[in-house]
Amino acid sequence: GNSVTQMEGPVTLSEEAFLTINCTYTATGYPSLFWYVQYPGEGLQLLLKATKADDKGSNKGFEATYRKETTSFHLEKGSVQVSDSAVYFCALSDLMDMRFGAGTRLTVKP
Amino acid sequence: GAGVSQSPRYKVAKRGQDVALRCDPISGHVSLFWYQQALGQGPEFLTYFQNEAQLDKSGLPSDRFFAERPEGSVSTLKIQRTQQEDSAVYLCASSLVSLSGGLVGELFFGEGSRLTVL
Repeated sequence: GNSVTQMEGPVTLSEEAFLTINCTYTATGYPSLFWYVQYPGEGLQLLLKATKADDKGSNKGFEATYRKETTSFHLEKGSVQVSDSAVYFCALSDLMDMRFGAGTRLTVKP
Repeated sequence: GAGVSQSPRYKVAKRGQDVALRCDPISGHVSLFWYQQALGQGPEFLTYFQNEAQLDKSGLPSDRFFAERPEGSVSTLKIQRTQQEDSAVYLCASSLVSLSGGLVGELFFGEGSRLTVL
């Protein structure tokens, strides 16, 4: 079945540091890939998505590229801010369902 | 508001009690999902509705869990004879498109119902 494995946290960075959160997936077909973010006290919300191989999703300075050859969708940001502190979830969907990774908690310190 | 609304936000139940959790999706959204999120974990799929049809209930952990969406809008997740392992946040999400149409759209999540079973 489909599954998502993401880098375990927590991750603590200083402001303006470079961020990478790894995500790999297992799927039988050609899924769409997503990153969702959950800020403290709020519900999950979509951060970015990519629907086919080599697509790059981007939003709020975050980027992730759909790599079919490595079955990966790593999240990156060049310079994190304190306001980026949240839990980040990698997810995939196909015609059957939508599945999430375990989440990675990011804390950015000033 | 125009978002996904869930109630109650917090529920404390004694072991053995039945609980009902309500989800009011965004108006017009075809797809509705229920997820269970344990502390420190990602959302685990429970069940999926396309309009009023429950197309997938493979994630429901036992026959104590039951979900319905009789008119294709509001949905209720019912847990009978609650157990301590049922303690979790139950998330509802809706989407404008259906899985069969290609779920490349965005899931809109509610803030969840936190269930604590004593």
